[in-house]
Amino acid sequence: DIQMTQSPSLLSASVGDRVTLNCKASQNINKNLNWYQQKLGEAPKLLIYYTNNLQTGIPSRFSGSGSGTDYTLTISSLQPEDVATYYCYQYNSGYTFGAGTKLELK
Amino acid sequence: QVQLQQSGAELAKPGSSVKISCKASGYTFTSYYISWIKQTTGQGLEYIGYINTGSGGTNYNEKFKGKATLTVDKSSSTAFMQLSSLTPDDSAVYYCARGAATPLYWGQGVMVTVSS
Repeated sequence: DIQMTQSPSLLSASVGDRVTLNCKASQNINKNLNWYQQKLGEAPKLLIYYTNNLQTGIPSRFSGSGSGTDYTLTISSLQPEDVATYYCYQYNSGYTFGAGTKLELK
Repeated sequence: QVQLQQSGAELAKPGSSVKISCKASGYTFTSYYISWIKQTTGQGLEYIGYINTGSGGTNYNEKFKGKATLTVDKSSSTAFMQLSSLTPDDSAVYYCARGAATPLYWGQGVMVTVSS
């Protein structure tokens, strides 16, 4: 089974900061990776699909990159509404979520 | 608009079973798989499996084989997940979602509580 490791598990940042969240796969997942945002009490919401494709309706401050085993979600200028937990999800071999990065305001 | 409406919260006793539903609307039901995902505070999000809504074929995460059974009723555009031999570890929020590789639309989640 492919394991997904997200870092950091908790991130505190200020409004306007550039924020980087990381996700590392236990083996090459060929860019078959999505990012989800989950706010308290809500279902996860798709932000980025296939590593770097912005889902319709998602603000352009969100972007994704990566290849092989290492992937990144970047928020170019943190907004208060971005407070949430972010999960990476691989579908290259089976389906696995990372444990999440909780993003809070400093 | 696409909607996945899940059934209500369940309170079940250890050793029993529950069957939760996910009613789809706003699209052709048989054109997309339905995935099921478990969420607990301690384990985060876990992928349970998916069902091919057209053929009824299923694919389960090894961990959930024997625990979850996925079915569909095409006539009502509804997917079901039965959880059997419940233990307190099965207490969680369970989501259905449209698609497997890229679940885009999600249900609101069903809280299942297993307690004597």
